[in-house]
Amino acid sequence: EVQLVESGGGLVQPGRSLRLSCAASGFTFDDYAMHWVRQAPGKGLEWVSGISWNSGSIGYADSVKGRFTISRDNAKNSLYLQMNSLRAEDTALYYCAKDVFFTGEDAFDIWGQGTMVTVSS
Amino acid sequence: QSALTQPASVSGSPGQSITISCTGTSSDVGSYNLVSWYQQHPGKAPKLMIYEGSKRPSGVSNRFSGSKSGNTASLTISGLQAEDEADYYCCSYAGSSFKVFGGGTKLTVL
Repeated sequence: EVQLVESGGGLVQPGRSLRLSCAASGFTFDDYAMHWVRQAPGKGLEWVSGISWNSGSIGYADSVKGRFTISRDNAKNSLYLQMNSLRAEDTALYYCAKDVFFTGEDAFDIWGQGTMVTVSS
Repeated sequence: QSALTQPASVSGSPGQSITISCTGTSSDVGSYNLVSWYQQHPGKAPKLMIYEGSKRPSGVSNRFSGSKSGNTASLTISGLQAEDEADYYCCSYAGSSFKVFGGGTKLTVL
């Protein structure tokens, strides 16, 4: 079964850091680009960051550039998101999503169930 | 990096057809045939319905179709059914490893 399972979310104070993980199974992880997409409570979807199959191409939304870092470990079938200098507006459900293609330009065909990040003092 | 523009809501009766528009710019929707559409039911993860503008993933009903004209992409749902009631989002590649979503459209089946 193709599956993505996120972990690492929680309650964190403004200015602190958090690292999200996404464990992939059921497909050849290093054949595809991967992404993080978030959804604030009651709001729409927002693309956060994406990484190509070999980490050669990486992109970030302006709202997180310079604060978040995406990475992957193909040997461990895992995707990560290091989130620094967290703000209240980063509060959201963070989804891990698989790209249809290896470069990261196409659609998100597999989604995890998400991990909730709450930034509050 | 502005969000794509979608109507906030659309509605239709069972059996009817509806179309949801997704307007971008010449830097995103207009430049690439890489628009995708997602369906999201409350409390659930999004589900891919259309990719590369008009392609349907395996298992998605052929009642769902996609198209594009200029800077505007569209999702059409024909033969509306109660289970189609959900939020729908478009997304486009925008170059330089960047993607952008639309604000979402709430579909109500009357």
